[in-house]
Amino acid sequence: DAGVIQSPRHEVTEMGQEVTLRCKPISGHDYLFWYRQTMMRGLELLIYFNNNVPIDDSGMPEDRFSAKMPNASFSTLKIQPSEPRDSAVYFCASSLDPEGNEQFFGPGTRLTVL
Amino acid sequence: AQSVAQPEDQVNVAEGNPLTVKCTYSVSGNPYLFWYVQYPNRGLQFLLKYITGDNLVKGSYGFEAEFNKSQTSFHLKKPSALVSDSALYFCAVRPGSGNTPLVFGKGTRLSVIA
Repeated sequence: DAGVIQSPRHEVTEMGQEVTLRCKPISGHDYLFWYRQTMMRGLELLIYFNNNVPIDDSGMPEDRFSAKMPNASFSTLKIQPSEPRDSAVYFCASSLDPEGNEQFFGPGTRLTVL
Repeated sequence: AQSVAQPEDQVNVAEGNPLTVKCTYSVSGNPYLFWYVQYPNRGLQFLLKYITGDNLVKGSYGFEAEFNKSQTSFHLKKPSALVSDSALYFCAVRPGSGNTPLVFGKGTRLSVIA
C-alpha cells in the first residue's frame, strides 16, 4: 500500500483565496483524521470521520474551515476565505478501529497564506 | 478528558549514550499509549504502543518504552543514541474503551550530538 496520500505537498496562496487540501486514506481504514501543526500550538486535531461520517468537528477553528469525505477513499479540507494565520502544515491520518490501532499519517501539506 | 504531558521541549544527548524522552498521561480507566516520531518535512511515524501485557514495550529502530501505572508514565528509551535519531517525538494516549481519537503531547525535540 502506498500509505496515506496528500496533495498538494505545498500550497502558497494569497489571503482571501479558497484553498482545498486532499487526502486519500489507506484502503480499508474506517477512520480518517485531519490535523494542523504549527510551532505555536503544536499538533491539533481538527476533525475526524468514521465510515465517511464526520464524528467530531469541535477542533475546526472557524466556519471558514470545512471538511468532507464523499467516499471511503477521498477527503477534502477546505478553507474559504484563507487568512495568513491559517499558514501551517496540515496532516491527514487514517486508521482501523482506533481501539488499539495506530494512526498512519500522510506527508502533510505545507500551506502558506500571504 | 485525557491529556498528555511531555515536560521537556528539548533533549540533548551524546551519540552512544542512553536517551530518555519523558511522557506522563491522564486518562479515565486503562490507557492505550503510543509514541510517534517526526523527521523534518515528514509526517508522524508510529514507533510503538502499549495496549496491555508486559510493561516494557519494544518498537522500531531499537526504541522501547516502559508503562508505569503508579506514576502514570510512559517514557521512551533507547540504550545507545544515534545521530539519525534526532527528530521530534510525540507521546499520545486514548482511553482503553470507546473509539475516541488519540490525544497527542506537544512533542519533544531530541538532538543527538556526534
